[in-house]
Amino acid sequence: AQSVTQLDSQVPVFEEAPVELRCNYSSSVSVYLFWYVQYPNQGLQLLLKYLSGSTLVKGINGFEAEFNKSQTSFHLRKPSVHISDTAEYFCAVSDLDGANNLFFGTGTRLTVIP
Amino acid sequence: SAVISQKPSRDICQRGTSLTIQCQVDSQVTMMFWYRQQPGQSLTLIATANQGSEATYESGFVIDKFPISRPNLTFSTLTVSNLSPEDSSIYLCSVGGGDTEAFFGQGTRLTVV
Repeated sequence: AQSVTQLDSQVPVFEEAPVELRCNYSSSVSVYLFWYVQYPNQGLQLLLKYLSGSTLVKGINGFEAEFNKSQTSFHLRKPSVHISDTAEYFCAVSDLDGANNLFFGTGTRLTVIP
Repeated sequence: SAVISQKPSRDICQRGTSLTIQCQVDSQVTMMFWYRQQPGQSLTLIATANQGSEATYESGFVIDKFPISRPNLTFSTLTVSNLSPEDSSIYLCSVGGGDTEAFFGQGTRLTVV
């Protein structure tokens, strides 16, 4: 079974500062890794994903994440945040057994302070 | 990509009643997924709905409480039965996943009074 841990439930950060949202996972099999964003009163939107290959993946809106297999982590980063980045961010994993369903972390609420 | 139309977007229901949520996809898909997002929490998979077979429920979710229909490859319904205040959540349908992007409906915000 898979599980995803997002240690930080809330992250306040000033505008134009860098941010890192942490995600750790556990799985007995290889997984795909995702970050989704949920803006207020909107549905989930894919930010980026790691399937294979380069461990540094770039997504939309200037976000990137690095897969670290030894630490079973997939932390999300952005070098300079904007007010519009205020949202809930979910890390998720999907294993490779073909079931396709996603296992989500508990989410991190990023609040960008002007 | 896939566009998912989910309705109703929100509802307020009395205890003991049921609510049926509809999910329409703009393309044919084999699997559709139903998630629950309780207040302040993450998404939890309720069940996987395959066309032509019984839905597969995750631990803690049962068919009597969450019956699902999947009459064709573009449509599914989730019914939340015998409502109690603990059922107040956002319910979302989803398609895709695995090594591809998952697409989500806008969600149904259910409040049980």
